[in-house]
Amino acid sequence: AQSVTQLDSQVPVFEEAPVELRCNYSSSVSVYLFWYVQYPNQGLQLLLKYLSGSTLVKGINGFEAEFNKSQTSFHLRKPSVHISDTAEYFCAVRIVSSGSARQLTFGSGTQLTVLP
Amino acid sequence: DAMVIQNPRYQVTQFGKPVTLSCSQTLNHNVMYWYQQKSSQAPKLLFHYYDKDFNNEADTPDNFQSRRPNTSFCFLDIRSPGLGDAAMYLCATTHRRGDRARGDTQYFGPGTRLTVL
Repeated sequence: AQSVTQLDSQVPVFEEAPVELRCNYSSSVSVYLFWYVQYPNQGLQLLLKYLSGSTLVKGINGFEAEFNKSQTSFHLRKPSVHISDTAEYFCAVRIVSSGSARQLTFGSGTQLTVLP
Repeated sequence: DAMVIQNPRYQVTQFGKPVTLSCSQTLNHNVMYWYQQKSSQAPKLLFHYYDKDFNNEADTPDNFQSRRPNTSFCFLDIRSPGLGDAAMYLCATTHRRGDRARGDTQYFGPGTRLTVL
């Protein structure tokens, strides 16, 4: 079975500073990787995903993530954050399989708080 | 815009009183999921439909049921809500194309926050 670890439950950062949200996964088979953002009292919105190809993936709102297979990591980065980036961020994996399961396994989330 | 809609956004029910949450989608996706998300936790998959095929997660309590009368709608029924069922319930959809493995993106609705009194 696969698992996802988000190492930081809370990340406070000042506006316009860079940020990195860490995600590590464990799986015995190949996986697809996702980052979702959840604003208060809303559903999850896809930020970016890694399926194959270039290990650096660019997403919406200026976020990017890098897939590192040897370290089984998929850290999310943004060079300069805004107040509006304050939200909960979830890393998720899905095994590359033709089976019917295909469900996402989520990490426990990282609350990013951008301070003025 | 194509989207996933959940109604109501906020639902209050009494302990033991059956409640139904609704999800509809205009994406024409063939897979619909229901997740439960408790405060400060990750979403937890309850079950999903692939077309009309229902797939229950092994640890989903019997108290939770689902119906999918057509492609666009899916309902979550909680037969006898307990205090521990208070949570945000998220509906998501994706489109699965045969058996070919793809990085199917799941599209989430805004969620229904359930309060049990």
